[in-house]
Amino acid sequence: KAGVTQTPRYLIKTRGQQVTLSCSPISGHRSVSWYQQTPGQGLQFLFEYFSETQRNKGNFPGRFSGRQFSNSRSEMNVSTLELGDSALYLCASSLEGVVWEQYFGPGTRLTVT
Amino acid sequence: QKEVEQNSGPLSVPEGAIASLNCTYSDRGSQSFFWYRQYSGKSPELIMFIYSNGDKEDGRFTAQLNKASQYVSLLIRDSQPSDSATYLCAVNQGGKLIFGQGTELSVKP
Repeated sequence: KAGVTQTPRYLIKTRGQQVTLSCSPISGHRSVSWYQQTPGQGLQFLFEYFSETQRNKGNFPGRFSGRQFSNSRSEMNVSTLELGDSALYLCASSLEGVVWEQYFGPGTRLTVT
Repeated sequence: QKEVEQNSGPLSVPEGAIASLNCTYSDRGSQSFFWYRQYSGKSPELIMFIYSNGDKEDGRFTAQLNKASQYVSLLIRDSQPSDSATYLCAVNQGGKLIFGQGTELSVKP
């Protein structure tokens, strides 16, 4: 079974621009979560989508948004990029259940200059 | 107090030894607990999960959970140089994973 895929893998943007990242979950997984990883803050939860609805949201400003499509693929968008948004953005998919184990994609490395 | 705490390390063990990684969490309502391994420049890889008190073994890995003490640990037996990585403890809080800062493990040949 194919794993979680994320595109693009690397991205360089300028302050003030906006960016859209894409994630395709493991086949059959309906939950998609997004995380930001930086050396200083570690892995931080952004939001989670299930059946096209945002179910959970972390403590990030409104510039960070996402959506999920009917095929469970998800996108996240960051508007008005700031230097501090430079990070590895990870997508994880999971089956809904008691344990809710999440499997990560390879990530998108975003650099804001 | 951070929600999930781990010793940052680095933890250095000789090849063949047992590596012990520890994690504490603050939310008593947490339901399931995960250990991820992350190699430098790669994404986290799920090693084990546990949701009942006690031990859970999978090959060379054993996860231990004590909900009363709010403590989770990971033991790696017969450590190999290929086990050198950062180990992340994560706690499931209502569908979102809260991660610790990770413990860097170095296994010396």
